[in-house]
Amino acid sequence: SAVISQKPSRDICQRGTSLTIQCQVDSQVTMMFWYRQQPGQSLTLIATANQGSEATYESGFVIDKFPISRPNLTFSTLTVSNMSPEDSSIYLCSVERGTTNTEAFFGQGTRLTVV
Amino acid sequence: TQLLEQSPQFLSIQEGENLTVYCNSSSVFSSLQWYRQEPGEGPVLLVTVVTGGEVKKLKRLTFQFGDARKDSSLHITAAQPGDTGLYLCAYGGYQKVTFGIGTKLQVIP
Repeated sequence: SAVISQKPSRDICQRGTSLTIQCQVDSQVTMMFWYRQQPGQSLTLIATANQGSEATYESGFVIDKFPISRPNLTFSTLTVSNMSPEDSSIYLCSVERGTTNTEAFFGQGTRLTVV
Repeated sequence: TQLLEQSPQFLSIQEGENLTVYCNSSSVFSSLQWYRQEPGEGPVLLVTVVTGGEVKKLKRLTFQFGDARKDSSLHITAAQPGDTGLYLCAYGGYQKVTFGIGTKLQVIP
């Protein structure tokens, strides 16, 4: 397993502003993952953050809106830029163990409300 | 199109009742996973089933992997309010986990 600390745990932000979410893992990992969970929904993968290279974004998500940093093997940030109320969601950081039958471990999430 | 179909999507039951939730696919998997996400928390891995027909028990929770490895079920006996949460079926592929849409369970005291 892995211990993943995410902060902030929640925030209320004004539209048009940006919020940076931090994710710290207790061990070195190659890839870190950022998910969005809209109210009452399941998880949608935003991007995969690799150390030393640009993040890989899923369809429907772009770097300008969700810039990601990955300065080392235990830390990553996700920024939600120029926020609108539609960005109100839970944002989750994850790491995965195994190369086949991969299993996911999550931080507690950041509950973002944009007003 | 969802790779993993979960049903029901919502379930509200009284404390003490039994329930089963399902995870189905047309694909064959080497394994399937179940996660539970409690309100205000991230999902937590409950179990991974790897053998067709396998049954695993975790206290009042019973997980089964279909013989053909295309589906799985989660049965909860005598549900408790603490079982309330989102139950996610998932497939762990090569360096990536894919999640189903989830079953949102509410257990009413």
